[in-house]
Amino acid sequence: GAVVSQHPSRVICKSGTSVKIECRSLDFQATTMFWYRQFPKQSLMLMATSNEGSKATYEQGVEKDKFLINHASLTLSTLTVTSAHPEDSSFYICSASNPGGPNYNEQFFGPGTRLTVL
Amino acid sequence: GENVEQHPSTLSVQEGDSAVIKCTYSDSASNYFPWYKQELGKGPQLIIDIRSNVGEKKDQRIAVTLNKTAKHFSLHITETQPEDSAVYFCAASSRNNQGGKLIFGQGTELSVKP
Repeated sequence: GAVVSQHPSRVICKSGTSVKIECRSLDFQATTMFWYRQFPKQSLMLMATSNEGSKATYEQGVEKDKFLINHASLTLSTLTVTSAHPEDSSFYICSASNPGGPNYNEQFFGPGTRLTVL
Repeated sequence: GENVEQHPSTLSVQEGDSAVIKCTYSDSASNYFPWYKQELGKGPQLIIDIRSNVGEKKDQRIAVTLNKTAKHFSLHITETQPEDSAVYFCAASSRNNQGGKLIFGQGTELSVKP
């Protein structure tokens, strides 16, 4: 299957600072990327869907000004957590897909980024 | 919108036994049903998926069955091994749903005891 990477794998920051997480599809062009958040012992919660070259679509309850998403190329999407607070501490996971391809629903997941806000 | 229910939330089996995890979905337009395995601290890994035009798919010790009429699908793992211990998630998706947005079940924590 396709390979998706995330960077960094874990980050610790102070409250009030901003953190950027990168998601890259390494061997295919991802027209769509998804960002999820996962709290301990819970399922993945979709935060937003981003399509290359257009604005992200955020799920209900997710603050678009707090979680900035940029999908500037077919291989890179970034999530910036602005003015992070301890309640933003979570496991952030991205996935990539090519809805125009033969396996249109299939999503390939990154390894996740553990964010801890002190 | 789509809702996916997954049972059980925890499952403990002896090595060599079979494990079955079941999911139900609400949106009859859903046509893609993947299963993911997630180990602690890692991202989900696709282990098997099925599309709505087939009723069963098998890959070595893993199989998935789909009943479109009843809107449920199941994961079957035979001859379980300790390394199968992980959290398993089912999901459902429709091509018409925002570029294939996945709706996840709540997860099943599988423990395989040696």
